[in-house]
Amino acid sequence: SQKIEQNSEALNIQEGKTATLTCNYTNYSPAYLQWYRQDPGRGPVFLLLIRENEKEKRKERLKVTFDTTLKQSLFHITASQPADSATYLCAPLYNFNKFYFGSGTKLNVKP
Amino acid sequence: DTGVSQNPRHKITKRGQNVTFRCDPISEHNRLYWYRQTLGQGPEFLTYFQNEAQLEKSRLLSDRFSAERPKGSFSTLEIQRTEQGDSAMYLCASSPIGGSYEQYFGPGTRLTVT
Repeated sequence: SQKIEQNSEALNIQEGKTATLTCNYTNYSPAYLQWYRQDPGRGPVFLLLIRENEKEKRKERLKVTFDTTLKQSLFHITASQPADSATYLCAPLYNFNKFYFGSGTKLNVKP
Repeated sequence: DTGVSQNPRHKITKRGQNVTFRCDPISEHNRLYWYRQTLGQGPEFLTYFQNEAQLEKSRLLSDRFSAERPKGSFSTLEIQRTEQGDSAMYLCASSPIGGSYEQYFGPGTRLTVT
């Protein structure tokens, strides 16, 4: 079965810096890889999707990369703000009927 | 508000009781998913509906769990003979056919089994 690894340790950064979160997967590459944000007590919120044949995707201060050789996706938040503090989940799509999520990485942005 | 809604938001029940949760997806979304999430973990897939058809069900789901989406609109998730290990947040998500397959999640139902 597929294994999805995200750093379980919280990432603490200073406001204004770039946050970089990592998602590693095993076995074969997914057709798509999604990133979600989750705040405490709430459901996840979709942020970005990157396709297997795309190297990079951007949306405002967010950037996602996808390296199928390394079996890794990186999620970047530039000019981070305290409001970006949340848990970020990656979700590789192998089967459109069934989604797998990583355990998430908690980001703390300090003012 | 036209987002995904879930009811109830919180449920406390005694071990052995049956519970039922309801999910109302975004109206034009054909796809509906149920997940379970425990503290410190990501959402764990339970089952998937496309319209009224249940097309996928996790092997982790025991016979005590059942889900329905009778008219392809709202869905219910029932847990029979609840156990303490069933305590978790139960999330529902809907998604339109095609596009980026992004899922829109509801606020979840937090179940506590005492």
